[in-house]
Amino acid sequence: DVVLTQTPPTLSATIGQSVSISCRSSQSLLDSDGDTYLNWLLQRPGQSPQLLIYSVSNLESGVPNRFSGSGSETDFTLKISGVEAEDLGVYYCMQATHAPWTFGGGTKLELK
Amino acid sequence: EVQLVESGGGLVQPGRSLKLSCAASGFTFSNYYMAWVRQAPKKGLEWVATISTSGSRTYYPDSVKGRFTISRDNAKSSLYLQMNSLKSEDTATYYCARGQFGRYFDYWGQGVMVTVSS
Repeated sequence: DVVLTQTPPTLSATIGQSVSISCRSSQSLLDSDGDTYLNWLLQRPGQSPQLLIYSVSNLESGVPNRFSGSGSETDFTLKISGVEAEDLGVYYCMQATHAPWTFGGGTKLELK
Repeated sequence: EVQLVESGGGLVQPGRSLKLSCAASGFTFSNYYMAWVRQAPKKGLEWVATISTSGSRTYYPDSVKGRFTISRDNAKSSLYLQMNSLKSEDTATYYCARGQFGRYFDYWGQGVMVTVSS
């Protein structure tokens, strides 16, 4: 199975600060169809997960553009340009290139 | 508005069975792959099952293959998860999720808790 390693496990930020989360895959996530199925989700405290970004860099409808995704093959990054209070929670990367689909261990974003 | 509402959770003894349901509304259910994802208490997310639009194709990780069965009724806009031979490690909140071609999950239900314990 593909292992996704997220760093850091915990991130402390102030409001307005820009932060990045890394997701490294044990295998290339480039699919034979040419797409790379690496997604990012946010789970706010007590809530269900919410899709932020799909296929590396595509912003899901309704998600603020302070969120952006980048990367290729095995190395991916989620960047938040100017953290807001509503961004606090646990961020997960998820791959859907190789079955079984797998998730990273999560990065908890806290207020400093 | 897209809504996914799970039901059927509860406390069950090891080795017994339980069936979860997910009622979908606000979109054309038959046009979308659907999935179940679970989260053990204080843990991360684990994909459990995916089903194609017609229900002809299903996918599972090894951890549940042979014990869990995902199904759907497009006429009722409903998704199901039949869980047999339950183990303590199946204890989790189970989320129903809408899949875009099965590759990412753009809407999630509120989740239903399943506790496997004697």
